[in-house]
Amino acid sequence: DTEVTQTPKHLVMGMTNKKSLKCEQHMGHRAMYWYKQKAKKPPELMFVYSYEKLSINESVPSRFSPECPNSSLLNLHLHALQPEDSALYLCASSQDSSGRYGYTFGSGTRLTVV
Amino acid sequence: AQSVTQLGSHVSVSEGALVLLRCNYSSSVPPYLFWYVQYPNQGLQLLLKYTSAATLVKGINGFEAEFKKSETSFHLTKPSAHMSDAAEYFCAVSENAGGTSYGKLTFGQGTILTVHP
Repeated sequence: DTEVTQTPKHLVMGMTNKKSLKCEQHMGHRAMYWYKQKAKKPPELMFVYSYEKLSINESVPSRFSPECPNSSLLNLHLHALQPEDSALYLCASSQDSSGRYGYTFGSGTRLTVV
Repeated sequence: AQSVTQLGSHVSVSEGALVLLRCNYSSSVPPYLFWYVQYPNQGLQLLLKYTSAATLVKGINGFEAEFKKSETSFHLTKPSAHMSDAAEYFCAVSENAGGTSYGKLTFGQGTILTVHP
């Protein structure tokens, strides 16, 4: 299995809703990442988990809450989002957090906040 | 700190022509460099990577890139473009241990490649 699987593929949520994005990999990778990509822009790093511990938070608003229940799973909990949070949310994994190996990306969740 | 500059937000070539996508980087320590491709409404796929071994790196789909330290460049080339190469391409950099951005992958602004019949 050489894939990162993200669910759901599309999500529409209201500003008062609570929802979660899910990411799963079974490659034995020990680093996992959340990126946000706005239209016609490059991906921007949000969070880095290394060995299931949060190692980098790029000053992301608290309405985004990451969780890493185990080495294969990464969640992103969403609450009270704003319309400007609409974007493609990409999960990625890597053998470790050294940056040496490059990342394997999922196909993303297209989030629309209404 | 690290950064990536991709020269040309749009590149257009004819089918069968040479593809050249330019990337220059800035890094406080020897970098790791990557090229990714993104098709519409999809995630990113790794094309190739430089991690301080051979300076000429071969990747998937006939792409290759050459690391030139003196020019701080990592340009992506393909001898003959196919219609299926039309996509957005991102150059990215991460820093080795000791760098101020260790553990982070930073992307350039992207280059959209159009291939004409």
